Amino acid sequence: DVKVTQSSRYLVKRTGEKVFLECVQDMDHENMFWYRQDPGLGLRLIYFSYDVKMKEKGDIPEGYSVSREKKERFSLILESASTNQTSMYLCASSLPGLAGAETQYFGPGTRLLVL
Amino acid sequence: AQSVAQPEDQVNVAEGNPLTVKCTYSVSGNPYLFWYVQYPNRGLQFLLKYITGDNLVKGSYGFEAEFNKSQTSFHLKKPSALVSDSALYFCAVRDGSSNTGKLIFGQGTTLQVKP
Repeated sequence: DVKVTQSSRYLVKRTGEKVFLECVQDMDHENMFWYRQDPGLGLRLIYFSYDVKMKEKGDIPEGYSVSREKKERFSLILESASTNQTSMYLCASSLPGLAGAETQYFGPGTRLLVL
Repeated sequence: AQSVAQPEDQVNVAEGNPLTVKCTYSVSGNPYLFWYVQYPNRGLQFLLKYITGDNLVKGSYGFEAEFNKSQTSFHLKKPSALVSDSALYFCAVRDGSSNTGKLIFGQGTTLQVKP
């Protein structure tokens, strides 16, 4: 079974802090994704990575950056946390198989509260 | 632009009755369609996907979905609902002409199955 783990289930941070969210997958997947989930808005893509050190902006990258130094690990960084970044953050990974057919596998999520 | 719509915020059904969770999509190329389920405080779990072929797709936990190209729909169905099916359901689409692997998610539909 594919396993995607996230470093924390719950985090509480203060405005202005630098926040690191870590995601690790154990299935040698090339693609990794960071989403945020807010009620009524579904999942919105923040960043994704299709290989080590490769990244692309998603739909809402402002205020975030990412790092992928190793294939299995994809980190989301909030450079200076703000209250509007309070959300559930979900990491996912997938293989680059038949174009469009890749199933994304999700981690359990990190619920971040910024005070 | 690609988009996915889940027109119902919540669906209520009695245990043992059939259930339908609706999804419509808009893409420029061939659609690749997915359904995911999210139980409380958990990440998303893959249920099923349509890539090509038979319009009726069978997935996990007895769920199935019907692809209808003329109506641009991909409704999720189950013949007999269980209380344990109560969860948040997401439809997602990928444009088959894109090679980025990104999915566009609907806003989610809460399914409530009452005993």
